[in-house]
Amino acid sequence: KQEVTQIPAALSVPEGENLVLNCSFTDSAIYNLQWFRQDPGKGLTSLLLIQSSQREQTSGRLNASLDKSSGRSTLYIAASQPGDSATYLCAVRSAGGTSYGKLTFGQGTILTVHP
Amino acid sequence: DVKVTQSSRYLVKRTGEKVFLECVQDMDHENMFWYRQDPGLGLRLIYFSYDVKMKEKGDIPEGYSVSREKKERFSLILESASTNQTSMYLCASSPLWGGSSDEQYFGPGTRLTVT
Repeated sequence: KQEVTQIPAALSVPEGENLVLNCSFTDSAIYNLQWFRQDPGKGLTSLLLIQSSQREQTSGRLNASLDKSSGRSTLYIAASQPGDSATYLCAVRSAGGTSYGKLTFGQGTILTVHP
Repeated sequence: DVKVTQSSRYLVKRTGEKVFLECVQDMDHENMFWYRQDPGLGLRLIYFSYDVKMKEKGDIPEGYSVSREKKERFSLILESASTNQTSMYLCASSPLWGGSSDEQYFGPGTRLTVT
């Protein structure tokens, strides 16, 4: 059974810092990995999708990397801003077997960027 | 832009009522999903559908059913609402698996309270 863990559970940083959020998963047989952002009481916004054959994806100040063999992904946020404050979730789509196509989510990292 | 809409942002129902949560997507996606999100438990998949009139159970289908009569619409049904079904319900859609971009796109969520 796929399990996804995100560390740290919460992070508070001053504005302007570069930061890294971590995601690990137990079963390396994945199809892709997706990073989401969730604001309080709202739905999820997709940030980046990395296919299993890719090593990284970039969008603006965000860079996500994937090391499938070790079961790890990181989300790097450059020059953080107060508007980046949110919960960040990673999710993996498992490949094969009875869990084919299912997304398994981590518990999320609550990020606070203070001015 | 992909748009996933949910019929209500907030809903209050009484124990034993039959509850319908509606989700509509406008991107002609084949796959649609219903999740619930609870503090400490994260997002859990209730049901998903990969085609009209097709459905598959997720991790926690007990007490729920679904209906997909049209490609753009996926309904979640609580046959007899109970207090332990108080939660945030999130709908998502994605293109057919294996395509060049199979990100999941989420709606804004429905906060359901059962009293």
